[in-house]
Parts: sequence; C-alpha cells; structure tokens
Amino acid sequence: QSVLTQPPSMSAAPGQKVTISCSGSSPNIGYNYVSWYQQLPGTAPKLLIYHNNIRPSGIPDRFSGSRSGTSATLGITGLQTGDEGEYYCGTWDSGLSEVVFGGGTKLTVL
Amino acid sequence: QVQLQQSGPGLVKPSQTLSLTCAISGDSVSSNSAAWNWIRQSPSRGLEWLGRTYYRSKWFNDYAVSVKTRATINPDTSKNHFSLHLTSVTPEDTAVYYCARADGLLPLNYLPFDYWGQGTLVTVSS
Repeated sequence: QSVLTQPPSMSAAPGQKVTISCSGSSPNIGYNYVSWYQQLPGTAPKLLIYHNNIRPSGIPDRFSGSRSGTSATLGITGLQTGDEGEYYCGTWDSGLSEVVFGGGTKLTVL
Repeated sequence: QVQLQQSGPGLVKPSQTLSLTCAISGDSVSSNSAAWNWIRQSPSRGLEWLGRTYYRSKWFNDYAVSVKTRATINPDTSKNHFSLHLTSVTPEDTAVYYCARADGLLPLNYLPFDYWGQGTLVTVSS
C-alpha cells in the first residue's frame, strides 16, 4: 500500500489530454515538493516534473504539473503512442523522514 | 552528462548479503550539492526508496525504516562510486534495484531524482 494514491490505469486517444492525480497528506504533498516520473516499458524512471510544476530541460511543454493542498496532478496534452507507460509521483514525507512514491498509473494511448 | 552504471550479481541466496555498486561519471560522489540514492521496484511494493549517502563537509547516510537495520550505503571516493549492501535477504527483497542522483542547491529533501542507473534485477532464491 503506497503512501501516495494514484489511479492504477488511465487511457485516452492520441491527441487527447489526460490528467493523472496523486493524493497524499499534510506531511508529504502538503508540505514538500512533488516530482513526477515517466517509466517507459523496460526502462528506468525518468524525471518529468519537479518542484510541483517545473519541467527539466528537454521535456516538452505537453507535460505540466500542479499541486493544490495535499494533492498533485500531472497533465499530458496532445497524447502520443510513445507516451504509453507508467507514471509515478514522489515526494519527501516529513513524518516518515523518507521519500515516498505513488503506486503508479499505467497510461494507455489507444 | 551524468551517467550512472550499476553492477552486481542478479541472484542472491536467502540469508545472504545483496551487494550492488553504482559507478558515477560526469559528477563526483563527494559533490556538496548531490545525494546518491538507492531505490528498488517490485510488483508487490512498487517504487521504494531505500536510502542515500551524501557529503556536506562530512559523510551522512539516511535509510528507509523498512531496511534501516539491514542496509548500508557506502561511498568510495577513490573509485567515484557508491554501493548498497543489504543483509539477511529474503525472497521479499527480489526487485529491480536502481541507483539515482538527487542534486541541487535547495535542501536535500526537496531534490528530485534527475539521473538514474539502468537498473539491476536481483532475485533472491536458493
């Protein structure tokens, strides 16, 4: 059971938009920055968004992040088949004193 | 460009020690702005942070509660790498293990994992 809660799966058609939620609590999302990671099949996770809404260099602006209270959201517009994979949120939990992750959301672009 | 190259055995017997190494290129294990982490992933536990080592005038380590009594993360400045040792393993420790860097000028707990190793599947079985 992950500390952060994500929907297990989502699907959308190419070109559409999807939003993936990440629900936590005060000691984690409510107090610390959220990051999002993309894991394509057979590869290591890749940083997609950090500090709630900042894209690293090279990440297209189709990807966006936001945080409100104890929840965070990853948005992906203009979906492409290459976006299929797992998406994870992560943050520091000040109560547990460790990094916590969501259980991951499997995105299907069909 | 930072690269992390993992090495270590893919099969460990129950009750033995799992040992993995992460070789760093393009950065230094002694960096004053980075922390060097181990994270594992399994179908049953998802992504699980195990711990980190970092240098801020002296060496520090932090560990997840779940592995605190069994895990040791050591830096090696002469080889510019860091390692994970996990003792008394059980089949529950079967997972893909990743090393990852967190780097930046903000407090450590705010830093995302910006570079990852390729992953090592470690199976605990007799």
